Amino acid sequence: EPEVTQTPSHQVTQMGQEVILRCVPISNHLYFYWYRQILGQKVEFLVSFYNNEISEKSEIFDDQFSVERPDGSNFTLKIRSTKLEDSAMYFCASSGLRGDRSLRAFFGQGTRLTVV
Amino acid sequence: GDSVTQMEGPVTLSEEAFLTINCTYTATGYPSLFWYVQYPGEGLQLLLKATKADDKGSNKGFEATYRKETTSFHLEKGSVQVSDSAVYFCALLPSGNTPLVFGKGTRLSVIA
Repeated sequence: EPEVTQTPSHQVTQMGQEVILRCVPISNHLYFYWYRQILGQKVEFLVSFYNNEISEKSEIFDDQFSVERPDGSNFTLKIRSTKLEDSAMYFCASSGLRGDRSLRAFFGQGTRLTVV
Repeated sequence: GDSVTQMEGPVTLSEEAFLTINCTYTATGYPSLFWYVQYPGEGLQLLLKATKADDKGSNKGFEATYRKETTSFHLEKGSVQVSDSAVYFCALLPSGNTPLVFGKGTRLSVIA
């Protein structure tokens, strides 16, 4: 089965530093997503991306966050100035269907971000 | 707003035991319902889904039935194996087709 790949699997960073989380979605997919899960809490939607722009974002996705698809294969999440509360597992997902796009979303294995 | 509540874990069972992980939801309209599984070191994988009331999703011996009257989508398996040890997430897709809404996840450990 096709896979969404995320790197790194674990990132430790100091508070205030910038981090970039990387994802390689499935190659013919059109919709891309970031979700996160703070330890012990729900998996929360951050942002969706289609046609080279953000199509939807949650309240969590403030000016500290940005997404980019720099080269047609990677999909990145940048956190500009990390805070302790950004520590979480970040999941990338992609889907290809124009209609029910979230109905068949494929998820990566996640990147665990630890801010110290 | 839309939300999913699933039973707190961890759940520890012996091999061949019967599994139930409860999931209830709150949503307007007619959401689709999902169970995702995350095995150690891997990503979230779709386990099964149901798109309308009374549908039963099934895969790998797991089943869940979409019960609109009780707003539930409980996951069941008749005989668990050690390889079923994972975190299980209940999720819903609102009828407006906006992003998935997940529960907190339930960790299942199956011991031989």
